Parts: sequence; C-alpha cells; structure tokens
Amino acid sequence: AQSVAQPEDQVNVAEGNPLTVKCTYSVSGNPYLFWYVQYPNRGLQFLLKYITGDNLVKGSYGFEAEFNKSQTSFHLKKPSALVSDSALYFCAVRDIRAGSYQLTFGKGTKLSVIP
Amino acid sequence: GAGVSQTPSNKVTEKGKYVELRCDPISGHTALYWYRQSLGQGPEFLIYFQGTGAADDSGLPNDRFFAVRPEGSVSTLKIQRTERGDSAVYLCASSLNDGFSYEQYFGPGTRLTVT
Repeated sequence: AQSVAQPEDQVNVAEGNPLTVKCTYSVSGNPYLFWYVQYPNRGLQFLLKYITGDNLVKGSYGFEAEFNKSQTSFHLKKPSALVSDSALYFCAVRDIRAGSYQLTFGKGTKLSVIP
Repeated sequence: GAGVSQTPSNKVTEKGKYVELRCDPISGHTALYWYRQSLGQGPEFLIYFQGTGAADDSGLPNDRFFAVRPEGSVSTLKIQRTERGDSAVYLCASSLNDGFSYEQYFGPGTRLTVT
C-alpha cells in the first residue's frame, strides 16, 4: 500500500526567508510524486510533479522540490517566501507498480508566512 | 480554458436522504476521479473513470456510494441513505493520462452536510 507522511502540521516562516515543507512517502514500486496547494474555500491547485529524470523539479510560483530516493522524500522548497504563499500544502504519491491512477495524499501542512 | 466544475457547491441534506453530486471535467480529459476530504485531512480516493467505465472503485466506502459517467464526460456521484459520517467535501479531478501528463486537476468541491 502507498502512503505519504507530512510530519509538520504547521510551518511558520518570515517573509523573505527560505521555506521547506517536508514530505516522505512509501510505495512498493517507483513513485510519481506531486505537490498541491489549497487556498481557503478553493480547490487544490497543482504545483509540481516528479515523474522521472532530474531529481530537482521546478513548478509554479517559484516553488521547487527535490526527489530523494534513498530517503524516500520529496520536500517542497522556495528560496524566498511571500505572504501570499500562506496556504495548505499537500504532498501526494502514485505507485506505478500498483497500476492504479489514484493519488494518496498526506494530511497537509499549513504554511504561514509572517510579514 | 475552463477548469473542472462541480455542482452544487454546498448541499445540506437530512440523514437517510439520497444525494447526487455532479462533476464536469476539463474538456478533452479522458480520466475522471472522485475524492473525499474530511476536515483536517488530505483527500481520499473514491473512484476513477477512464472514459465511461469505472477503472478503479476500490475507494468507495460501501454500497451506498455509486458513480456514473455515461458519456465519458460529466460524472455523477450518488449517495443513498446518507449518514452523518458522509459529511465532507467531495472533490472531483480530471486528467489526460496520455503518457505525458500525469497531474490531476481538481474542481472546487461540493461541501456535503448531513444533518
């Protein structure tokens, strides 16, 4: 079975500082990994994905994430946080070996960027 | 272009009643997914359609839940004999699944409240 852990319920960071939102996963085969962001009263918005190739992937709004196979991690990063980045962030995994297209999500991490 | 749309945005129903939730995917997306998000949790997979057929319904919690996609576009999630535990936000997503695009695009959700 596939699973995702987001160990931090909340992350606080000062505006302009770098931010990291952590994600680890468990799958039986190779993973496809995704980050989504959810603003209040709005749907999930796709940020970025890792499918294959370069371990560092870049996405929307200046976000990037690094796939680390040995640590089974896919942490989300941004060099300089903005107040507008404050939202709920979800990591998700799809297990290729399982042959299913379903995504398994973590519980989410609330990011608060302090002015 | 237009994103995934879901109607209604909010639905309040009494315990024991029947409800239908509608999803209109992005035009041209062959794959459609239903997820359920409870408060403080990440979305949980319910069912996946490829075209008109349900390719994976392993996430449906019991036989009170059923979904259809008769023409391979719009989908309806049907819940019979609703229970208070069914209260959640029901999310619909769609994707291309063309071998290049793997991300799912989500609608704003339908908030179901069972009283």
